[in-house]
Order: sequence, then structure tokens, then C-alpha cells
Amino acid sequence: GAVVSQHPSWVICKSGTSVKIECRSLDFQATTMFWYRQFPKQSLMLMATSNEGSKATYEQGVEKDKFLINHASLTLSTLTVTSAHPEDSSFYICSATPLVLAESSYNEQFFGPGTRLTVL
Amino acid sequence: KNEVEQSPQNLTAQEGEFITINCSYSVGISALHWLQQHPGGGIVSLFMLSSGKKKHGRLIATINIQEKHSSLHITASHPRDSAVYICAVYSNSGYALNFGKGTSLLVTP
Repeated sequence: GAVVSQHPSWVICKSGTSVKIECRSLDFQATTMFWYRQFPKQSLMLMATSNEGSKATYEQGVEKDKFLINHASLTLSTLTVTSAHPEDSSFYICSATPLVLAESSYNEQFFGPGTRLTVL
Repeated sequence: KNEVEQSPQNLTAQEGEFITINCSYSVGISALHWLQQHPGGGIVSLFMLSSGKKKHGRLIATINIQEKHSSLHITASHPRDSAVYICAVYSNSGYALNFGKGTSLLVTP
């Protein structure tokens, strides 16, 4: 159980275009989804946290107008990289958190397989 | 912010060797996550633990809450174990994850 998918798994686009990445929780409802970015040989960096039906919370230094996040349903969140530039080339990973169980003291995150974005 | 330190940063082992990867963190946590990331990038959850020890196949994870330390052990290592192993901790609020920088493991035949 607790499977998270991402689409596409890789994308190549021209500079200036926009790219949308989907993150889906396949067998559970996710109240919260997280978007991470990972540059080569570095750890995951949290970009933003999105809760279903509300605006995303962005980490310091992440431009909300450039990285548009929509969490329209309990199973889908999308990240749109607008006007992409070569420096946006990276590995984007989402994770999802199920509804919290009363006895749980933490909200376990389940990770998607990632999307490799290359901007030419 | 919780500082998460992993050691070693890189590790090369011969097939069959016993491997230990360490993780230390600076602030009290609600739980700790060991993750495996293969060269293709996908992340697999190995363990979630908040106390004691867990075992799954050749993998063993331990945590000492008082010492703020966790270890991941791999017994009878195999080349397919080659990957980056990441330690991540949940804050006491149980919400956000802080990640270590990862340990890159290469197991040679």
C-alpha cells in the first residue's frame, strides 16, 4: 500500500516553456503533499508543502510565481515550472502524507519515483 | 532546524561484507526514516522507527533516542545494495522531514 506516482518520469523542454509535473497518491488520500528538488550529489531540498484545497506554503528562496502548485484533490498535486530555464534542470520528487491516525505521532511521508527535468 | 549528520559520506565494500551507516541528529524527534535511492533517482522507504530496532531481510535499523543516533546495518552485502542511503528525521511536530546528505554505498563483486 501507500504508493505514490509521478508523471512524467522525465521531460526535456526548451527554455521559456512551462512544464507540469503530476503527483498522485494511488491507494490513499493525501491531505498533504510535499515537493522536493534534488541537484546532483545533493540531498533533497523541500520546495513547498501543499494541503488539499488551500494555498501551498513555500520554503524561503523558492519563487511561488515560478513554481506553481495546485492540490485540487486528495489524490493529486501538480507542480508547474513556468518559463523554465536551464538552471531549473533538476530531479523533482513529491511525497504524500495520508490522513493522520489518532495514535500516530508523526505523518509518514511516501515518496514518488521522481521526475527528471532537463531544460535546454 | 534539526541538523542531520551521516557517516560515512562514501563507502566501498566487497560483496559479503557487513556494512554500517550512521546517522546523528541534534534535536529531539518523533521518528526517523531510512531511505534508499538508486541511481535512477527513485526513493524507497526502508524503515520508519521511533525506538529500538527493526529488521527486514538483510537490513537492520536501530535507534537510540537518548543519544540521538541511529544506525543502518546491511549483512552479507551484495552489489545490488549499491545505492545512496538517506537518513531523515521527523521533528517533534511530526510534520516536516530533515534529511541527511546521504551515504553513497558501492558494493563490488
